Amino acid sequence: AQSVTQLGSHVSVSEGALVLLRCNYSSSVPPYLFWYVQYPNQGLQLLLKYTTGATLVKGINGFEAEFKKSETSFHLTKPSAHMSDAAEYFCAVRVLGNTPLVFGKGTRLSVIA
Amino acid sequence: EPEVTQTPSHQVTQMGQEVILRCVPISNHLYFYWYRQILGQKVEFLVSFYNNEISEKSEIFDDQFSVERPDGSNFTLKIRSTKLEDSAMYFCASNPTGQDYGYTFGSGTRLTVV
Repeated sequence: AQSVTQLGSHVSVSEGALVLLRCNYSSSVPPYLFWYVQYPNQGLQLLLKYTTGATLVKGINGFEAEFKKSETSFHLTKPSAHMSDAAEYFCAVRVLGNTPLVFGKGTRLSVIA
Repeated sequence: EPEVTQTPSHQVTQMGQEVILRCVPISNHLYFYWYRQILGQKVEFLVSFYNNEISEKSEIFDDQFSVERPDGSNFTLKIRSTKLEDSAMYFCASNPTGQDYGYTFGSGTRLTVV
């Protein structure tokens, strides 16, 4: 079965600094990988996804992630943090077929002025 | 942009009571899901539903839970005889084909069992 590990339950960055949220996955077959964001008291919003093709994927709000098969990683980055990026970020994995999304435990991003 | 709608946004119920959480998935989507998130914990899969039947369920989804698509638009999660530990945010999601698309999630129903 597939699984996701997110390193760091809480990450704090200064406004304007690089954001790096780490995600490693485990899957015996090629995975589909996703990042979701959850703002306080809201639902889960899809930031970006990797299915096939280009390994560097761009999402909304200036975020991007790179699929690295050799490292089984799908880290989320943003060059310059904004106060509005403060939220909970979830990495998720699924495989081909109607398999359910499996989420990591989430990383809470705080942005300091 | 199409969205998944969940009602109510917050429900408080007495322990032992039955609750029904409602969801209206995106109209042309074929796969439907329920997830839950206990406060401060990860988002956990409960059940997936396709072609009017459960296609997969987790070990959390025991006989206390049931799902139904009663009228072709609503998708409901029923929790019988609620327990304190059922208190959580419940998310409904839908997906067009079940393949490589991400899910579209609703904004959730916060269930509080007292």
